[in-house]
Amino acid sequence: QSALTQPASVSGSPGQSITISCTGTSSDVGGYNFVSWYQQHPGKAPKLMISEVSNRPSGISNRFSGSKSGNTASLTISGLQAEDEADYYCSSYTSSSTVVFGGGTKLTVL
Amino acid sequence: QVTLRESGPALVKPTQTLTLTCTFSGFSLSTNGMCVSWVRQPPGKALEWLALIDWDDDKYYSTSLKTRLTISKDTSKNQVVLTMTNMDPVDTATYYCAHMVGHMGVFDYWGQGTLVTVSS
Repeated sequence: QSALTQPASVSGSPGQSITISCTGTSSDVGGYNFVSWYQQHPGKAPKLMISEVSNRPSGISNRFSGSKSGNTASLTISGLQAEDEADYYCSSYTSSSTVVFGGGTKLTVL
Repeated sequence: QVTLRESGPALVKPTQTLTLTCTFSGFSLSTNGMCVSWVRQPPGKALEWLALIDWDDDKYYSTSLKTRLTISKDTSKNQVVLTMTNMDPVDTATYYCAHMVGHMGVFDYWGQGTLVTVSS
């Protein structure tokens, strides 16, 4: 199972919006609405930000939103804040009953 | 609340077998829908899913690593154990256990991780 494809890095200024893409295949992202997004700060465990494509867990800011079109899922962060600077990973359930992660995207807040 | 904590050796030698334990609280692995997964992350690299065990003792493994992995649970102790055979320096990573509800890859609670270095 190949890793999902994410851009290595994205950047934006405070207050702006950014979008991180996550591209898979019809056997994972395109085949199921089980795409999740995780935020990871250096030296910390990942934190669930979005589940099932677009659901925000309790306590997650509504500045974070998710969507999916075909084999590509997206995470959008609006109103960028300095604390959003982190690595972001997508994941998807697969047709093999396994889970696959993306390669990760480093978000820099300029 | 749900908490998980990984434990195991910080250093293993090449060819040895790694045994990691995830001790959790706040849920029971005998409750319908509860699952625990292991995920690893080599230094500076991406997350990689390894294995999952569910409330019904069904087990699922990474396709690329399944010949080396075994996951098991001790419901009475609230523990999940992962063994990985034939360790290699490329297996150096932080190993996390994570809670899931259902098999669909939503990791809602994570342990703090344990760094395992493979070196002679």
